[in-house]
Amino acid sequence: GDSVTQMEGPVTLSEEAFLTINCTYTATGYPSLFWYVQYPGEGLQLLLKATKADDKGSNKGFEATYRKETTSFHLEKGSVQVSDSAVYFCALSQPGTYKYIFGTGTRLKVLA
Amino acid sequence: DTGVSQNPRHKITKRGQNVTFRCDPISEHNRLYWYRQTLGQGPEFLTYFQNEAQLEKSRLLSDRFSAERPKGSFSTLEIQRTEQGDSAMYLCASTPVAGTGANYGYTFGSGTRLTVV
Repeated sequence: GDSVTQMEGPVTLSEEAFLTINCTYTATGYPSLFWYVQYPGEGLQLLLKATKADDKGSNKGFEATYRKETTSFHLEKGSVQVSDSAVYFCALSQPGTYKYIFGTGTRLKVLA
Repeated sequence: DTGVSQNPRHKITKRGQNVTFRCDPISEHNRLYWYRQTLGQGPEFLTYFQNEAQLEKSRLLSDRFSAERPKGSFSTLEIQRTEQGDSAMYLCASTPVAGTGANYGYTFGSGTRLTVV
């Protein structure tokens, strides 16, 4: 079945460092890909998405490109802030369905 | 609009007891979803409703679990005869009638954390 694999955390960075969180997927066909973020004590929030190959999703300085050839959707940010500390989840959804398959999440800690 | 509301935020129960959680979606959203998130794992799909109709249930939803959305507004998730393995965060989410399912992006509640002792 479909699955999503994320790099294990925690990822600890200094403020203004470059961030990469790796995400790869296994799926039939052409799923849509997503990054959700969960701040402490809050629900998951959609960060960005891409619905077809070579699409780039972006939001709040974060970016991810849908790479069909490597089945990847890595999350990047050029300069992280302390306020970016959270758990990041990669997910996929097959067209016409209403549910996600999530990865296990990667905790990011940004130190001042 | 205050987003998706879940109550209670925390629930501690003894093994074998029944528990019920409530989810109030965003008022104009007609689709409602339940997920379960165990420690160190991502959320796993349990079930979803379109209005009052329960359209899909995961095999994770054993006979001890039942979900309802009687008037197409709030939803309840009941777990009977709780087991320690039921300890998890139970997440509710909703989406509007427009959009294309999960592609639209869910609005999640903050969850109900269940601890079975």
